[in-house]
Amino acid sequence: DAGVIQSPRHEVTEMGQEVTLRCKPISGHDYLFWYRQTMMRGLELLIYFNNNVPIDDSGMPEDRFSAKMPNASFSTLKIQPSEPRDSAVYFCASSPPGRGGSLGTQYFGPGTRLTVL
Amino acid sequence: GNSVTQMEGPVTLSEEAFLTINCTYTATGYPSLFWYVQYPGEGLQLLLKATKADDKGSNKGFEATYRKETTSFHLEKGSVQVSDSAVYFCALGTSNTGNQFYFGTGTSLTVIP
Repeated sequence: DAGVIQSPRHEVTEMGQEVTLRCKPISGHDYLFWYRQTMMRGLELLIYFNNNVPIDDSGMPEDRFSAKMPNASFSTLKIQPSEPRDSAVYFCASSPPGRGGSLGTQYFGPGTRLTVL
Repeated sequence: GNSVTQMEGPVTLSEEAFLTINCTYTATGYPSLFWYVQYPGEGLQLLLKATKADDKGSNKGFEATYRKETTSFHLEKGSVQVSDSAVYFCALGTSNTGNQFYFGTGTSLTVIP
């Protein structure tokens, strides 16, 4: 399996522009997570989906951020308009359903490094 | 609520030294516990896990034992190598929060020859 695929790997944009980050989860995984990582705040969960349905978006910082999962093999995280403080590494992760009461392990993509000038 | 507290870094060790990275947790219910590793420029990778009390997870010479009585899951390795230099994250997940994980702040390890 190719693992979790994210694109682009690097994105540099100017303040005010729209940014779209993309994620393809591992086939058969029914959970998908979006995280943001910065030096100051560490790893933060932004939103997660189960079977393409958003379950918890309480980590989404503000209305400028939105996420969609139109099907089981694709998700997007959009920032509109972007601001310099959005500069971070954004990770997508997916996991299979748990079995026998055990949680499914999360598998992370390589991340998208976003720089907003 | 659910949370993980990790040993502050950075940690610098000489090659072949013994490594311990402390991790304690607070959880509702019966959590599963994980250690992830992040190499420079990469995403997080699962290093090991334990799903119930007294379980020991192990991988690549690393070990951690799920201690319910002390709510801990400390990571250990008997002899570190330069290639172990990375950031290590402790995490927990509970079935009553879907498949959501709670991550610690990460501990940076540098191993010098």
